[in-house]
Amino acid sequence: DIVMTQTPLSSPVTLGQPASISCRSSQSLLYSDGNTYLSWLQQRPGQPPRLLIYKVSNRFSGVPDRFSGSGAGTDFTLKISRVEAEDVGLYYCIQATQFPLTFGGGTKVEI
Amino acid sequence: QVQLQESGPGLVRPSETLSLTCTVSGGSISSYYWSWIRQPPGAGLEWIGYINNSGGTNYNPSLKSRVTISVDTSKNQISLKVSSVTAADTAVYYCGRHSAVAGLDYWGQGALVAVSS
Repeated sequence: DIVMTQTPLSSPVTLGQPASISCRSSQSLLYSDGNTYLSWLQQRPGQPPRLLIYKVSNRFSGVPDRFSGSGAGTDFTLKISRVEAEDVGLYYCIQATQFPLTFGGGTKVEI
Repeated sequence: QVQLQESGPGLVRPSETLSLTCTVSGGSISSYYWSWIRQPPGAGLEWIGYINNSGGTNYNPSLKSRVTISVDTSKNQISLKVSSVTAADTAVYYCGRHSAVAGLDYWGQGALVAVSS
């Protein structure tokens, strides 16, 4: 299985300031079709996960442009340009390049 | 807007079979793949498996011997069965839709299932 490692575990942030979360995979997520199947999910308290970013850097429908994703191979980053109060919650990376799909352990973003 | 809703018993006894249904509204289930994911209380996410639009399945090896995912297109429902459950199977169970473009793009609200005698 591909192991997904997220850092930090917890990220205290200040409203209006940037935040960054790292995700590292135990092997390359580049698939034979040329795509890299790395997504980012947000889980607000008491809510189900919600897709933010797919294929490394594509924002899903309705996701604010303060969220951005980058990376390649085994190293990926989710950035929030200016944290807002509604961004509090858990963030997970997930890979779908190889079965079984696997998730990072989660990063808690708190004010 | 597609919506997914999980339903099923909230309490299952040890050694019995957990059964959940995901009802999809706002779109046909025939054009997509569908996954089940679970999240133990206070813990992270674990992918259980998926069913594709041809009825083919792929299960997490960690659960493969105990899991069955099926689809009923006439009812727009996806089902999950986990046999021989233990307390370790206590979790919130989510169904999710895979699109070819965006992957796991829509999730249900989740159903909490506790395994206890």
